[in-house]
Amino acid sequence: KQEVTQIPAALSVPEGENLVLNCSFTDSAIYNLQWFRQDPGKGLTSLLLIQSSQREQTSGRLNASLDKSSGRSTLYIAASQPGDSATYLCAVKGKGGATNKLIFGTGTLLAVQP
Amino acid sequence: ETGVTQSPTHLIKTRGQQVTLRCSSQSGHNTVSWYQQALGQGPQFIFQYYREEENGRGNFPPRFSGLQFPNYSSELNVNALELDDSALYLCASSDTRILAGGSSGEQYFGPGTRLTVT
Repeated sequence: KQEVTQIPAALSVPEGENLVLNCSFTDSAIYNLQWFRQDPGKGLTSLLLIQSSQREQTSGRLNASLDKSSGRSTLYIAASQPGDSATYLCAVKGKGGATNKLIFGTGTLLAVQP
Repeated sequence: ETGVTQSPTHLIKTRGQQVTLRCSSQSGHNTVSWYQQALGQGPQFIFQYYREEENGRGNFPPRFSGLQFPNYSSELNVNALELDDSALYLCASSDTRILAGGSSGEQYFGPGTRLTVT
């Protein structure tokens, strides 16, 4: 059974700092991994999608890496800004099966202090 | 902002009542999935609809049911509401045809419906 864990559960950093969020999963047979951002009480915004054959994806100040063999992904945020404050969720889609079911971690709550 | 919309935004119901939540998928997407997100938790998969049929379900009882319409929009129905059903309900749309062809399979989420059961 796939389980996704995110560490740390919460993180507070000063503005301008570079930071790394961690995601680990127990079953390496994944189709892809997505990182999402969620503002309080809101829906999910997709940040980056990494296919199982890829090692990393970049979008602006965000870089996500994937190491399938070790069951880990990291989200690197460069030069953090107060507007980056949100909960960050990672989710994996397993290989096989008929559905697009995503298994989520519980998220990392990020606060960027001005 | 994605093209996925959900209604209503907020809803308050009493235990034992029934509720219907609605989702319009992104244009061109033929698959809708529903998730329940309790406070402080990650979303949990409820079920998925593809071509108007349920083709996958998570660990949720039969009182959670759904529909998908020919225009790919979807409804989530919950009967006999319980206090623990209070949560944010999210729908996600994707294009399974793209997935079968080996492309991204990226899912796009709506803003959610906040359900409170008292």
